[in-house]
Amino acid sequence: EIVLTQSPGTLSLSPGERATLSCRASQSVSSSYLGWYQQKPGQAPRLLISDASTRATGIPDRFSGSGSGTDFTLTISRLEPEDFAVYYCQQYGSSPYTFGQGTKLEIK
Amino acid sequence: QVQLVQSGAEVKKPGASVKVSCKASGFIFTNYYFHWVRQAPGQGLEWMGIINPTGDRTTYAQKLQGRVTLTRDTSTSTVYMEVTSLRSDDTAIYYCARRDVRGSFDFWGQGTLVTVSS
Repeated sequence: EIVLTQSPGTLSLSPGERATLSCRASQSVSSSYLGWYQQKPGQAPRLLISDASTRATGIPDRFSGSGSGTDFTLTISRLEPEDFAVYYCQQYGSSPYTFGQGTKLEIK
Repeated sequence: QVQLVQSGAEVKKPGASVKVSCKASGFIFTNYYFHWVRQAPGQGLEWMGIINPTGDRTTYAQKLQGRVTLTRDTSTSTVYMEVTSLRSDDTAIYYCARRDVRGSFDFWGQGTLVTVSS
């Protein structure tokens, strides 16, 4: 089983700042089958990034993903008020399709 | 537009079973795999299992093996998830999610809260 470790657990930033979220895998994620999801309170997760760096339909270009192998990053270039939420990374290259424990992005 | 609409909240006693539905619309149902994911109160996301487009192949998380069953009905474009022998730690929001062609979970249902309590 691939274990995904996200850091930091909580990130406190202000609107307009840049956010950098990390996801590290216990073993290489095949073909960069790594996704990032955003979840707001009371809502289902929403796909932001697939295949490590491909934005999903309708996702603003301030969201970007990078990385390969075992180290992946989600960057939000300039935070908007609606971006404060919990973010999960997930690998879908091999079963079981594991999630990281999440990073909470909160307003400073 | 793509929609996954799940059945309503359930309250069950320990030892009972629950079956949650997920009705799909806006796309060709028989072209897609579906996953189920659950989220205990205040916790992260836990993958439960996947069912293939024809419904004859499933894979389950080892932790739930033997207690969870995924099925699908092409005539109604609905996917089902059943958990048996419910325990208090099965209390969670249960989500269905569509698997896109590359494997990511591109659309999610709204979630169904299952509460297990005596």
